[in-house]
Amino acid sequence: QSALTQPRSVSGSPGQSVTISCTGTSSDVGGYNYVSWYQLHPGKAPKLMIYDVTKRPSGVPDRFSGSKSGNTASLTISGLQAEDEADYYCCSYAGSYTLRVFGGGTKLTVL
Amino acid sequence: EVQLVESGGGLVQPGGSLRLSCAASGFTFSSYWMHWVRQAPGKGLVWVSRINSDGSSTTYADSVKGRFTISRDNAKNTLYLQMNSLRAEDTAVYYCAREGGSYYFNYWGQGTLVTVSS
Repeated sequence: QSALTQPRSVSGSPGQSVTISCTGTSSDVGGYNYVSWYQLHPGKAPKLMIYDVTKRPSGVPDRFSGSKSGNTASLTISGLQAEDEADYYCCSYAGSYTLRVFGGGTKLTVL
Repeated sequence: EVQLVESGGGLVQPGGSLRLSCAASGFTFSSYWMHWVRQAPGKGLVWVSRINSDGSSTTYADSVKGRFTISRDNAKNTLYLQMNSLRAEDTAVYYCAREGGSYYFNYWGQGTLVTVSS
């Protein structure tokens, strides 16, 4: 199972919006509404930001939103803040054998 | 408060073995599927293995199948990963993660570093 495709990096200024894409296939992203997104800060535990494509766990700001079209899922962060600077990974359910596949990760830089 | 604390990482020679532990607290451990996910230096997250709530069913990534064994002790609230025949490419931070309601990981530990090198 190949990793999902994410841009290596994105950037934006405080207050702006950025979108991170996550492209898979009909066997993973396109086949199920089970895409999740994780934020990684160095030395800290990964944090769930979005699950089931669009749902936001309690405590995650509504500046974070998720969507999906075909085989591509997206994470949009609006009103960028300095603390949003981190690595972001998408993950998709990929069927009962493979179970999970991650994207390669995207480094978000807040300029 | 949900807590997952990994331990057992360290330096091991190629071909060696290591057992990782993940101590869980703050929730009913025996009710949840658990996973191991790893991140090699400078690389992305990669799913490694999962175990169902009572330990009767396990699944592995192809890269570790036959070498790694996931297990759990629900009486001790602890998840394990026995790693045998270790290779340099197994060098990574290993995270344990709790599965949420539908195929996502809603809690993670901070990870334990495994270095395979001579």
